[in-house]
Amino acid sequence: RKEVEQDPGPFNVPEGATVAFNCTYSNSASQSFFWYRQDCRKEPKLLMSVYSSGNEDGRFTAQLNRASQYISLLIRDSKLSDSATYLCVVPWRGKLIFGQGTELSVKP
Amino acid sequence: SAVISQKPSRDICQRGTSLTIQCQVDSQVTMMFWYRQQPGQSLTLIATANQGSEATYESGFVIDKFPISRPNLTFSTLTVSNMSPEDSSIYLCSVEDRGREAYNEQFFGPGTRLTVL
Repeated sequence: RKEVEQDPGPFNVPEGATVAFNCTYSNSASQSFFWYRQDCRKEPKLLMSVYSSGNEDGRFTAQLNRASQYISLLIRDSKLSDSATYLCVVPWRGKLIFGQGTELSVKP
Repeated sequence: SAVISQKPSRDICQRGTSLTIQCQVDSQVTMMFWYRQQPGQSLTLIATANQGSEATYESGFVIDKFPISRPNLTFSTLTVSNMSPEDSSIYLCSVEDRGREAYNEQFFGPGTRLTVL
């Protein structure tokens, strides 16, 4: 099993849709989790940090289920500008373990 | 968060040559990291650049191929030595910054896009 595994993409959704990405991790001792966003040909940028059961920031909600070792990212009311690759990231022993990323394409 | 710059932003190099990539941060940071992102792939950690000591390399990466310098708390270099087309990638440096909840978050430089012919 991969250390961090994400939903395969791409997700193609219309503007205004709600979309959810899933991520599972193998190390039950992990304490914190991150979602990064990476635009085409750009560096990853931190979108949300998740330390407890979840986090909400505007249209974005991240949820954590420690028992199932599962993190999700929910995007409500999708905008064209949300089109990007979303990376699930789990820190472990001082380094970041990246999932393979899920590509989102929001269409008009 | 820290502001990170990298030089060069991109380069096209010949097989067998070496390229040194610079990473500059606008504040002193303890931890600096170098990543590689191959085409269509996610990020893979190459090494952790330690100030005052040798870098710590991840499995599959060696100092002879990717020598790293970290002369102070704001600067690091990564050299890609004896390049081959398989080294064509984006190389990113990152720094660790203390987040709100005391868990450290990492922020990335803009990357160096390397093409080896």
